[in-house]
Amino acid sequence: NAGVTQTPKFRVLKTGQSMTLLCAQDMNHEYMYWYRQDPGMGLRLIHYSVGEGTTAKGEVPDGYNVSRLKKQNFLLGLESAAPSQTSVYFCASSSDREEETQYFGPGTRLLVL
Amino acid sequence: KNQVEQSPQSLIILEGKNCTLQCNYTVSPFSNLRWYKQDTGRGPVSLTIMTFSENTKSNGRYTATLDADTKQSSLHITASQLSDSASYICVVSRMDSNYQLIWGAGTKLIIKP
Repeated sequence: NAGVTQTPKFRVLKTGQSMTLLCAQDMNHEYMYWYRQDPGMGLRLIHYSVGEGTTAKGEVPDGYNVSRLKKQNFLLGLESAAPSQTSVYFCASSSDREEETQYFGPGTRLLVL
Repeated sequence: KNQVEQSPQSLIILEGKNCTLQCNYTVSPFSNLRWYKQDTGRGPVSLTIMTFSENTKSNGRYTATLDADTKQSSLHITASQLSDSASYICVVSRMDSNYQLIWGAGTKLIIKP
């Protein structure tokens, strides 16, 4: 039981390049989330999903797209990376939204030059 | 404005000592309050979740308290260990149709031998 895994662990991009971050969970959770964490700030929700085939915008969705084609996977895409997207990205999952704990992956460090 | 503020920003204590971390929030309407522990380079891990009716909850050497009237919470760590060195994050969930989590910036705790 691996919990929540994220790939890649670290990536360097040039401005304008695109990439996809992959999140996978093996806990059969309905809800999945993508956050970004910047120094001195709390985690900010980018997008989330309440089930296979559904996605919704969070607090800071601009510049990102997501897809949830399979229940266990949640993909975060950057179509045209900008230096402001340099951050640590965390994926999380939970069995429901309000009462249950969110389980986090180890994070992806992204540097955009 | 919905905010979660934590104090102190950072704290250094000697191994074996106790400490208390503070969290003040202005989130409304309130659903629950969570404390997470985040080791350097890792994703957050849940310590406790408290609803409006709970004023204390323990998890081993960690004890969280909640005063919903004053909108304050604290996390008390007893007999600190080197492994307690981490950031501790207070998170408040807002009960509305969108169900929003408001994350604090965290308190960085360093335990010295």
